[in-house]
Amino acid sequence: AQSVTQLGSHVSVSEGALVLLRCNYSSSVPPYLFWYVQYPNQGLQLLLKYTSAATLVKGINGFEAEFKKSETSFHLTKPSAHMSDAAEYFCAVSEATGGSQGNLIFGKGTKLSVKP
Amino acid sequence: DVKVTQSSRYLVKRTGEKVFLECVQDMDHENMFWYRQDPGLGLRLIYFSYDVKMKEKGDIPEGYSVSREKKERFSLILESASTNQTSMYLCASSFRGGGTGDTQYFGPGTRLTVL
Repeated sequence: AQSVTQLGSHVSVSEGALVLLRCNYSSSVPPYLFWYVQYPNQGLQLLLKYTSAATLVKGINGFEAEFKKSETSFHLTKPSAHMSDAAEYFCAVSEATGGSQGNLIFGKGTKLSVKP
Repeated sequence: DVKVTQSSRYLVKRTGEKVFLECVQDMDHENMFWYRQDPGLGLRLIYFSYDVKMKEKGDIPEGYSVSREKKERFSLILESASTNQTSMYLCASSFRGGGTGDTQYFGPGTRLTVL
């Protein structure tokens, strides 16, 4: 069965510092991996996704993530945090199978705070 | 741009009331989903639908039902609301189903409070 673990429910960085949000997954078949962002009182918005093309995936707002099969990880990074990055971030995995087994499984989320 | 709308942003209901949450998407997507979001628990799938009049249970269907009479509309029904159903409810849609890598597009959410 697939699962997602996000290390750290809260992460705090200073403006201009590196952002690193960790995501590890388990999957018995090749996965699709997603990062979503949720700003306060809004729905989720796709940041980026991995669908077995390039292992380094670039997303919106300067974020990127690297798929590392050997580490079963898909960590999200941004070189320089901005105040507007403060939000909750969700990692999700979907297995490349049909039916309900292929539905998205979400991690519990990581709240990112950015200090001025 | 894909647009997923939900009928209410905030809703307050009383215990025992029947509650309808409506979701509409404008991109002719085959698949629609209802999630519940609670602090520290992430998103949990309640029900999903792969086609009109088709529905399947997700991880936490108890106390909920759904209806999909038209392709663009997916309704979540709380037959008799209880206080433990106080939560944020998120609707999503995607062109194809799970296991395809298709992006799910989310609505803004409905924050439901049951008193």
